[in-house]
Amino acid sequence: DGGITQSPKYLFRKEGQNVTLSCEQNLNHDAMYWYRQDPGQGLRLIYYSQIVNDFQKGDIAEGYSVSREKKESFPLTVTSAQKNPTAFYLCASVDRGKAFFGQGTRLTVV
Amino acid sequence: AQSVAQPEDQVNVAEGNPLTVKCTYSVSGNPYLFWYVQYPNRGLQFLLKYITGDNLVKGSYGFEAEFNKSQTSFHLKKPSALVSDSALYFCAVRDREAAGNKLTFGGGTRVLVKP
Repeated sequence: DGGITQSPKYLFRKEGQNVTLSCEQNLNHDAMYWYRQDPGQGLRLIYYSQIVNDFQKGDIAEGYSVSREKKESFPLTVTSAQKNPTAFYLCASVDRGKAFFGQGTRLTVV
Repeated sequence: AQSVAQPEDQVNVAEGNPLTVKCTYSVSGNPYLFWYVQYPNRGLQFLLKYITGDNLVKGSYGFEAEFNKSQTSFHLKKPSALVSDSALYFCAVRDREAAGNKLTFGGGTRVLVKP
């Protein structure tokens, strides 16, 4: 079954901790994206990667980091420097402009 | 810089009536335009896209959208709305000539279809 898999679905983090959100795809797409969704603010781009071993900052990259060591994987680390990390995080792979989204990870800071 | 505006936070429509969700965009070059739908606590699902050619694009579930270059708009339409169309709708744009393939989304419009 092809697609984008995000894990975990729900994640709780204590203040001051780093956490890593997983995103895996088996669609053989080069481009992958991370978005953050907050109520009433739509989707905001955190980081994106056009190819393995390369990535660019999006509009709200501060407090986040990514890696793209494999084509299939684009993990997002939410660091302690992110001041308001509680949100719904969406990963997508893109092929010829069309985005395929995962089911999202809801991160809550407790 | 590229941007998308969805001027309505929510659209209410009675079942069976026409549905329109508005979207305007701004890009330096020519746009690729997309509509996506999101159901609660889920990822986004692709509805349709405009790349080039015919300004009227037909997509999934009876939705269509019309590209209007002079008004920089890409409104989503459905002739007869269903209760099951109630969801959050996002318009997105990519600048065809820009490097990096950045995909930018609008703020979303919640559609509520009442029986």
